[in-house]
Amino acid sequence: KAGVTQTPRYLIKTRGQQVTLSCSPISGHRSVSWYQQTPGQGLQFLFEYFSETQRNKGNFPGRFSGRQFSNSRSEMNVSTLELGDSALYLCASTAEQGGYGYTFGSGTRLTVV
Amino acid sequence: AQKVTQAQTEISVVEKEDVTLDCVYETRDTTYYLFWYKQPPSGELVFLIRRNSFDEQNEISGRYSWNFQKSTSSFNFTITASQVVDSAVYFCALSAASGGYQKVTFGTGTKLQVIP
Repeated sequence: KAGVTQTPRYLIKTRGQQVTLSCSPISGHRSVSWYQQTPGQGLQFLFEYFSETQRNKGNFPGRFSGRQFSNSRSEMNVSTLELGDSALYLCASTAEQGGYGYTFGSGTRLTVV
Repeated sequence: AQKVTQAQTEISVVEKEDVTLDCVYETRDTTYYLFWYKQPPSGELVFLIRRNSFDEQNEISGRYSWNFQKSTSSFNFTITASQVVDSAVYFCALSAASGGYQKVTFGTGTKLQVIP
């Protein structure tokens, strides 16, 4: 079956702009989590959605938001981009709760200039 | 609170050497899950293994083996006869209940370089 699909793979944006990233989970997976990965901070949890509801949220400013659709696809939005938002954004899906292990997508590499 | 510590930031080994990646975790939960993921240069995290807190049996999968010891809160990963293709960043992760839902915490990763 198809894996977790993230689009786009690469993105370059200017400071102050906003960006939307997309994640399609594995078919049947209802939980989608988002992570930010930077060289200095490692993997930082952004939020998790399950059945269209945000279930967990990490310590990120309100500029970072997300949503999940009825088909479990998820989008993440970052408004008023800052240089420090440059990172690899990873999406992961799992069938139920995290104990079953996550399948990650290839990520979207965002560069803010 | 949950915490995962991977004290080794970078390791370099010569091909065919064995290498062990350390992982120490902290959690107050009695039921939890431990994972190892591999991140090659392409960026995608690849799931390697999942272990629950009630199963302390060591596991071997080809050249990979895992040693889970609850007494020392460790879940170490050994690659036997390393190969260049093993070069990657390896993450240890812990999943335990937090506020009624499973929360996953990742370690900071260990970058492994296998030199031909």
